[in-house]
Amino acid sequence: QKEVEQDPGPLSVPEGAIVSLNCTYSNSAFQYFMWYRQYSRKGPELLMYTYSSGNKEDGRFTAQVDKSSKYISLFIRDSQPSDSATYLCAMSARGTSGSRLTFGEGTQLTVNP
Amino acid sequence: GAVVSQHPSWVICKSGTSVKIECRSLDFQATTMFWYRQFPKQSLMLMATSNEGSKATYEQGVEKDKFLINHASLTLSTLTVTSAHPEDSSFYICSAEGTGGTYNEQFFGPGTRLTVL
Repeated sequence: QKEVEQDPGPLSVPEGAIVSLNCTYSNSAFQYFMWYRQYSRKGPELLMYTYSSGNKEDGRFTAQVDKSSKYISLFIRDSQPSDSATYLCAMSARGTSGSRLTFGEGTQLTVNP
Repeated sequence: GAVVSQHPSWVICKSGTSVKIECRSLDFQATTMFWYRQFPKQSLMLMATSNEGSKATYEQGVEKDKFLINHASLTLSTLTVTSAHPEDSSFYICSAEGTGGTYNEQFFGPGTRLTVL
């Protein structure tokens, strides 16, 4: 069983739709939860990170963490064609030096104009 | 934000040759850098953790004699794929760890696409 499970999609939505991306995990030691966006043949860029449980909002993006269910989500409101990319969830047990990130498989998102 | 570069961005080599990939943190110093490998439509798999001035820590299943990592300065880490074979063809991505507060963000390079013929 993988430590982090993420539906690879692909997911296709019309412009303006609300997008919901999810990951589940099995390692209860994970404390930091990240969402990265990766465009084709580029390195990932950090969108948001959350420590422990709770919600975090940044513009059109909202990250939710439910540690009791070992389930994290990323919501994208008013999706735009420029949001088309692969979204990767990542987790680590600590945020300090040398923390290993464990990534999900990534969900490929296409937002159609 | 912090910038990490990789060079080259794309390399093609013959089977049996060695290839060196550079990872540089351009505007910050990074004690720790990480090397990942990503196959098409798959996630990033951590290969090794590189600390400046010390030996790299390799993940289980990664051959340390095949993937040589050198982190000689706070802004440069190199990955050398020795005696490359077609199965080593992949997208190699490095990240450099910043420092700040309770969470040390990893800043990723743009990746290097290796094709071994």
